[in-house]
Amino acid sequence: AQSVTQPDIHITVSEGASLELRCNYSYGATPYLFWYVQSPGQGLQLLLKYFSGDTLVQGIKGFEAEFKRSQSSFNLRKPSVHWSDAAEYFCAVGANSGNTPLVFGKGTRLSVIA
Amino acid sequence: GAVVSQHPSRVICKSGTSVKIECRSLDFQATTMFWYRQFPKQSLMLMATSNEGSKATYEQGVEKDKFLINHASLTLSTLTVTSAHPEDSSFYICSTRIREGNTEAFFGQGTRLTVV
Repeated sequence: AQSVTQPDIHITVSEGASLELRCNYSYGATPYLFWYVQSPGQGLQLLLKYFSGDTLVQGIKGFEAEFKRSQSSFNLRKPSVHWSDAAEYFCAVGANSGNTPLVFGKGTRLSVIA
Repeated sequence: GAVVSQHPSRVICKSGTSVKIECRSLDFQATTMFWYRQFPKQSLMLMATSNEGSKATYEQGVEKDKFLINHASLTLSTLTVTSAHPEDSSFYICSTRIREGNTEAFFGQGTRLTVV
């Protein structure tokens, strides 16, 4: 069965510090992986996605993620966090098929302190 | 990217009434629409999958008579919460994926439903 694990429920970092949000997945075929960000009361915005090719993918807002097949991981990173990055982050996995839904992790809430 | 418009963004209704949430794909044909529910500080839980012109497929534990889904056209899917109760209060989000090529998911803005 497909599943996504985000082991960290809540992370607090100082503004300007680096960030890594962990994501592990379980998937029977080639996974298509995504990171989304959600601000309170809002929908989801795509940060980045991995379908194939280079395992280090760049996204919006200075985020990047690295796909590691051997570790079944797709961790999200940012070298320097800004206060506006405080939000909920969701990792998701899906098939290469438009008629199947994405499976989401439980999310990691990021707090940024001065 | 593709645009999915969800309406209303917030709604408050009385117990026992019904509420309709609309989700429109503005610049593409959404053959399939996914409806999610999100409780506070929790992840998105898939409620149902709707395909244009056919009956929706509901996830286990989701009452199909309570959450009526209609996908009558390629650009509009609706979720109606019937005989709403306070425990139905939640954040509802629709989503679709383009069938061919790029298969990322696009989300509506979400609807905050409060039943009083």
